[in-house]
Amino acid sequence: KNEVEQSPQNLTAQEGEFITINCSYSVGISALHWLQQHPGGGIVSLFMLSSGKKKHGRLIATINIQEKHSSLHITASHPRDSAVYICAVARGDTDKLIFGTGTRLQVFP
Amino acid sequence: SQTIHQWPATLVQPVGSPLSLECTVEGTSNPNLYWYRQAAGRGLQLLFYSVGIGQISSEVPQNLSASRPQDRQFILSSKKLLLSDSGFYLCACNWDSWNTEAFFGQGTRLTVV
Repeated sequence: KNEVEQSPQNLTAQEGEFITINCSYSVGISALHWLQQHPGGGIVSLFMLSSGKKKHGRLIATINIQEKHSSLHITASHPRDSAVYICAVARGDTDKLIFGTGTRLQVFP
Repeated sequence: SQTIHQWPATLVQPVGSPLSLECTVEGTSNPNLYWYRQAAGRGLQLLFYSVGIGQISSEVPQNLSASRPQDRQFILSSKKLLLSDSGFYLCACNWDSWNTEAFFGQGTRLTVV
């Protein structure tokens, strides 16, 4: 079993829909990162959080340390949000970054 | 502001040929640098990391090596590529730990034929 699990693996949505991507992990962590990867492109850091909630534009990330779970929400989704979203956790004991396998999101107009 | 450059973006190489992928960081000094690889259907796996010039730690035994000849330069190499070296390679950096802001390169998609 992977130490970081994301769901769903694939997600399609109509423009304007509210989107939620989930990340669960099984190790103690010091921080969690949400990353975005566009087709053929590099990876962009969206959020780094260790507690609570962060918001940037239409993106919201939450984390529940006790439940070892984080969610990434996209409000009023747009076709340009189409990308792979990756959850990565920094292990608290080794400070190593462990990646999930990503969620492929496609938003159709 | 800090940026990280990685090249090339795509590469097709024959089996047995050498490999050199380069990653450079701008806008800061003394970063921690990392090379990751993603095989099909799997998450990114740490290959090497470096906390300073000439300091390389390897996470998994493999056909690859890494070097850090300058503070902001990190190179991934192979003398002879194998088919199993195909994948997506990503350079990343931070300045203290993964509890701080991190930056990621564009990635290199390597296909060994």
